[in-house]
Amino acid sequence: QVQLEQSGSELKKPGASVKLSCKASGYTFTAYALNWVRQAPGQGLDWMGWINTNTGNPTYAQGFTGRFVFSVDTSVNTAYMQISSLQTEDTAFYYCAREQFGPVGPYFDYWGQGTLVTVSS
Amino acid sequence: DIQMTQSPSSLSASVGDRVTITCRASQSITKFLNWYQQRPGKAPKLLIYAASSLQSGVPSRFSGSGSGTDFTLTISSLQSEDVGTYYCQQSYDMRFTFGPGTKVDIK
Repeated sequence: QVQLEQSGSELKKPGASVKLSCKASGYTFTAYALNWVRQAPGQGLDWMGWINTNTGNPTYAQGFTGRFVFSVDTSVNTAYMQISSLQTEDTAFYYCAREQFGPVGPYFDYWGQGTLVTVSS
Repeated sequence: DIQMTQSPSSLSASVGDRVTITCRASQSITKFLNWYQQRPGKAPKLLIYAASSLQSGVPSRFSGSGSGTDFTLTISSLQSEDVGTYYCQQSYDMRFTFGPGTKVDIK
């Protein structure tokens, strides 16, 4: 069965960096794009962007350029997101989600369990 | 950019009630509209894609309708396990904007 297993919670100080992982199983990794979604505590869902798992080409949403880097390692079916120069406002759950393409547009059919990143001095 | 709004922002209903959530896009998105459920403390889960297609494994009490700018998610008979927040998402311009969410709880 399709699974997206995300790495564990992180506690970081402001200015530090963090690299989150999303390991896929149960399907052909390179056949589907992976998206990243942020959810600050008690808030809604913010789409951060996506990565073409076949080419490794990332696309970033507005507001998620510069400090955010998406990458993949197809040898281990894993996508990564690195956030640098962490700020307290980066405290949030981060989800990866597989993108399925239907007859009428794409949608996110499988989600990871989420990784909580806490940024605090 | 396409903006998404939802109403109401929250609702409280009894088990067995019919519940309707509305989502509106700032411009026509034809049927490029998806619905997700997020139970407390859990990751979001796909319910409906392409405005009205039920995702495999999702109970038939969930249904979606609409096209253009106005969309509706309906729960025909609310169950206790339906408590959570519901989000619409547009995929028309490949920027996947989410609505602000509608929180549903049991009266």
